[in-house]
Amino acid sequence: QQQVKQSPQSLIVQKGGISIINCAYENTAFDYFPWYQQFPGKGPALLIAIRPDVSEKKEGRFTISFNKSAKQFSLHIMDSQPGDSATYFCAASASGYGGSQGNLIFGKGTKLSVKP
Amino acid sequence: NAGVMQNPRHLVRRRGQEARLRCSPMKGHSHVYWYRQLPEEGLKFMVYLQKENIIDESGMPKERFSAEFPKEGPSILRIQQVVRGDSAAYFCASSPKPPGGHQETQYFGPGTRLLVL
Repeated sequence: QQQVKQSPQSLIVQKGGISIINCAYENTAFDYFPWYQQFPGKGPALLIAIRPDVSEKKEGRFTISFNKSAKQFSLHIMDSQPGDSATYFCAASASGYGGSQGNLIFGKGTKLSVKP
Repeated sequence: NAGVMQNPRHLVRRRGQEARLRCSPMKGHSHVYWYRQLPEEGLKFMVYLQKENIIDESGMPKERFSAEFPKEGPSILRIQQVVRGDSAAYFCASSPKPPGGHQETQYFGPGTRLLVL
């Protein structure tokens, strides 16, 4: 079953707080886990991505934590700002040849609202 | 370097008409993916194409939907005899390299919002 489950569906955080979004997957063939940010009326934009050979990746205020044994990964947004208010999608794909190679399987999204 | 271009941005069709959605990948990218997004939902993979070839169409409905990526020109997603359930945002993404070994980033266009009346 190629599925990625994302939670929470919506999240309200105060300015300066930490936003945490979680995702879980089932397919052990997945080896690429990106997070996308989408503003209303726009296309998704890559925020940060991780591969299973590391447990954490940080880029500025954004950090991905990855737990291979639990098949879970999460996005942490430190010092959340009103400009971070958007919908965030986790995704996963398997790079191996054959089958559905490279296709991104998306979670259903988390609508983040950062209050000033 | 221009990003992924999609047109039209908005498309209104009546039931039974045809919809043609165009996607121009980023310069130097020869791999194109199409995704569909229903309201309040994540994106769902439809088809993966390289120049002149369909690599994976496992996400495409069996009927009325087709895609192409000719040697010259944009990739086209074609929906024949549209129904109200086809109303959605359709996004294409492009990548410079194929998947395999080291996944390459997919860059998304702004999408085409299709409304079927």
